[in-house]
Amino acid sequence: QSALTQPASLSGSPGQSITISCTGTSSDVGNYNLVSWYQQHPGKAPKLIIYDVNERPSGVSNRFSGSKSGNTASLTISGLLAEDEADYYCCSYAGSGLVDVFGTGTKVTVL
Amino acid sequence: QITLKESGPTVVKPTQTLTLTCTFSGFSLSTTGVGVGWIRQPPGKALEWLALMSWDDDKRFSPSLKTKLTITKDTSKNQVVLTMTNMDTVDTATYYCVQYFGYEIHYWGQGSLVAVSS
Repeated sequence: QSALTQPASLSGSPGQSITISCTGTSSDVGNYNLVSWYQQHPGKAPKLIIYDVNERPSGVSNRFSGSKSGNTASLTISGLLAEDEADYYCCSYAGSGLVDVFGTGTKVTVL
Repeated sequence: QITLKESGPTVVKPTQTLTLTCTFSGFSLSTTGVGVGWIRQPPGKALEWLALMSWDDDKRFSPSLKTKLTITKDTSKNQVVLTMTNMDTVDTATYYCVQYFGYEIHYWGQGSLVAVSS
C-alpha cells in the first residue's frame, strides 16, 4: 500500500488561505469518507484537526476545513496565522486489510 | 480526559526484539468502536501506520511489517503492548500510541523515541 501523495511544502502570508491536497486511489480516499488530517508542530505529537473528511473536533478553529473530490482530499487553512506553521498529514481508511494509510506530509510555512 | 503514554527502551540492538507498552486512561478498550493503535515516525520523515487492536480483540497489521509485529491487550490494566522482532537501524523512529474511535485516530500519545544501534 503506497502512501497518499501530498505536496512537500506550501507557504503563505498571514491572513491568506492555502489548500493542501492529498491524493490517493479508489481503494482508499476515493472509496471511503474517512479522511482525517493531523497538525504536527516540531518535536510534538500530531493533533487531529479534521475527521470524516470535513468534521472538526471540538476546540479546533473553524479556519480549518476539509473536502474531498474523487481520489483527492483537501485541507484548507483560512486566515493564516503564525501558529499554523507546522507539518500536516492526511490519513485515509484503506479497508479492513490495512486499516489506515498516511500521506507524505506537507510543511506549511507562514511568511 | 483521554491520555496515552508509551513506555519502553530508548535503545535496542540490531536483531533484538522491541517491546513497547501503551498505558491509557479516560476510555475503555471494551467500549464498542474503540481501538488502540501504533504509528511510527523516523526522524525527519513521515508517519507510518503499524498496527491496531480493536475493542473486539480484532488485530490488524501493516502488510509490509506483519511478520515482525505482535499486538496484545490487557483490558484490566488499560494497556496495549506492541512487539517488533528483528529490529534494524531502519526501525529507528518515534513510536506513537493512538486511540481510535470508529475508523479514525482521535488522540495521540507523546511518543517514544527508539534508536536501533549496536
